[in-house]
Amino acid sequence: DAKTTQPPSMDCAEGRAANLPCNHSTISGNEYVYWYRQIHSQGPQYIIHGLKNNETNEMASLIITEDRKSSTLILPHATLRDTAVYYCIVRKTNSGYALNFGKGTSLLVTP
Amino acid sequence: SQTIHQWPATLVQPVGSPLSLECTVEGTSNPNLYWYRQAAGRGLQLLFYSVGIGQISSEVPQNLSASRPQDRQFILSSKKLLLSDSGFYLCAWSLGLASSYEQYFGPGTRLTVT
Repeated sequence: DAKTTQPPSMDCAEGRAANLPCNHSTISGNEYVYWYRQIHSQGPQYIIHGLKNNETNEMASLIITEDRKSSTLILPHATLRDTAVYYCIVRKTNSGYALNFGKGTSLLVTP
Repeated sequence: SQTIHQWPATLVQPVGSPLSLECTVEGTSNPNLYWYRQAAGRGLQLLFYSVGIGQISSEVPQNLSASRPQDRQFILSSKKLLLSDSGFYLCAWSLGLASSYEQYFGPGTRLTVT
């Protein structure tokens, strides 16, 4: 699996967009970018994934650069409940079952 | 829509006692099911996964076992708990192999072995 690099922490004001970056410069052509988050004392929550096109769902948008070496998760209007650790993972879709999180980015949304 | 239930939410058990944690999924058929453990301040560790009734694969050797008696029921058990079994136990589900990395988690059980 390609290695990912995320900033350890970020702050965002409530109501503003939170843009969480992820570098994955060694990504291969058949690897997807997945994003999860984990709110304190809760189970991880799947957010979104993509291959090369930008993706949007009810939770977030995923912007993947044209060379696929980096991506950004965008929470368009952050709320206090979005405070969590956000994990970027790069995997082939049929390469096993185990979710392996790195250290992720701890996002703090402030009033 | 799909929902996943786990119980109990918290559990305190003495060393050497048995364990049974239950997970059920609603709103989907033939899901893949998973048991993970998360130790305090650590990452996720996949313990077991199941692709069908009675089919259990173990990822790590341990004194835990898993069973899948029904399509949407997954049980984690131990005959004798160890102190090192303390942790946050999470059940998850996903669809088939192509979507296996899109997993949906339950609320978890926080187990403390004393």
